[in-house]
Order: sequence, then C-alpha cells, then structure tokens
Amino acid sequence: GESVGLHLPTLSVQEGDNSIINCAYSNSASDYFIWYKQESGKGPQFIIDIRSNMDKRQGQRVTVLLNKTVKHLSLQIAATQPGDSAVYFCAEHWRGYGNKLVFGAGTILRVKS
Amino acid sequence: NAGVTQTPKFQVLKTGQSMTLQCAQDMNHNSMYWYRQDPGMGLRLIYYSASEGTTDKGEVPNGYNVSRLNKREFSLRLESAAPSQTSVYFCANARAGFGETQYFGPGTRLLVL
Repeated sequence: GESVGLHLPTLSVQEGDNSIINCAYSNSASDYFIWYKQESGKGPQFIIDIRSNMDKRQGQRVTVLLNKTVKHLSLQIAATQPGDSAVYFCAEHWRGYGNKLVFGAGTILRVKS
Repeated sequence: NAGVTQTPKFQVLKTGQSMTLQCAQDMNHNSMYWYRQDPGMGLRLIYYSASEGTTDKGEVPNGYNVSRLNKREFSLRLESAAPSQTSVYFCANARAGFGETQYFGPGTRLLVL
C-alpha cells in the first residue's frame, strides 16, 4: 500500500487561466505568512508574503489573500504559464509558541498547454 | 551575488559513515537554518542559528550537529549516518529571526544505504 503523506494535492489548469492555491493554517496567533514555489530538484523560492494586519497583497501576477476568521490563505496566479508548474507551499510564523516557521506540505500545480 | 549556496549537491553514504554539509551565504543575514524535506511532508527544522555564535535545536535535531563558523557559514554534520537520514537538506537564511522571510539554497540530496 501507499503511505499517507506521500501524495500532494494537485491542481491542473490550462495555460492562460487563473490559478488559486489554498492553504489552511493552524495557529490563530500566527502573524506572518509566506508563499514559496519549488521546482523539481531546486530549493524553495520566495514568491510573496503577507503580515496578519493585511487581508490582501499583490505582486507581479500573484495575489495573496488572508482570511484570519477561518485561518485560510490563498495564492492567486493570473494568466498561468507553463513555467508556473511547480509545488507551492505556504509557511506561517508561529509567534509565541516557540517562535518558529511552520511549513505546509504543498500543492502541485500542473499547467497544460 | 549567489545568495545561499550548498555543497555537495548529492551524496551517497553507507550506514555509519559521517559527513558535513556546507552552507554559505553572501546576503549578510544574521539567522541561518537547516531543514530536511521528505516526500509529501513540509520542511522540518533540524537546527538554527539566530546569530553568529549561537545555535539551537529545532524540531528534529537527533543525529545531527551544527557549527556556525562565522556569519557567512553554517555547517550540518552527520556523525553516524542512518538510512532514516536519507532526505533532501536545505539551508536557509533570514535577516533576523523567524518572523522574516527565509531564503533557501539549492539543497543537498543525501542517500544513506
């Protein structure tokens, strides 16, 4: 049988469409959140971040939304391109509970041409 | 400006062998971190160094030791490698502390037979 945790959720989108990748975080006291992109065989690459005093932050083709009420973070990628194919994961800064960065396992984004 | 560099890129060890993973940064950041990444799991913190001269245990420190040689370099040592230490190891840095963006190196892929 296959081990739990080995398989990441996958999002498949058509080139040119918008992508929305979701992340549920665990600590209501977290005050800082980061989205990373990781291509196969490479290290995680910073995409965008947001502090807990904000609901939305925009970058180039990317937008991060933070909903503190339901502890939910999303990454929106506009006009998705083949080069966006990667694993995307979020990280939350646990303030007070040992002061650490906690990483999600990630979501695989596949862009179909 | 290379950011965070790691050597070696790939290593195969036999059980019981020792090795040191090297990490260097040219970003003049104070904090440095060692993580391991296993399939389907989020990054897990092994050890970190908040500033030059200090090191602390993370979530999974057993079987590892670290040295913050100077502000630029932070090494991770496996004294007696075990198959459970087969993983991809990432070094990261941050300007100051866990509430700041962490920037990652390209990783070292370690296989322990």
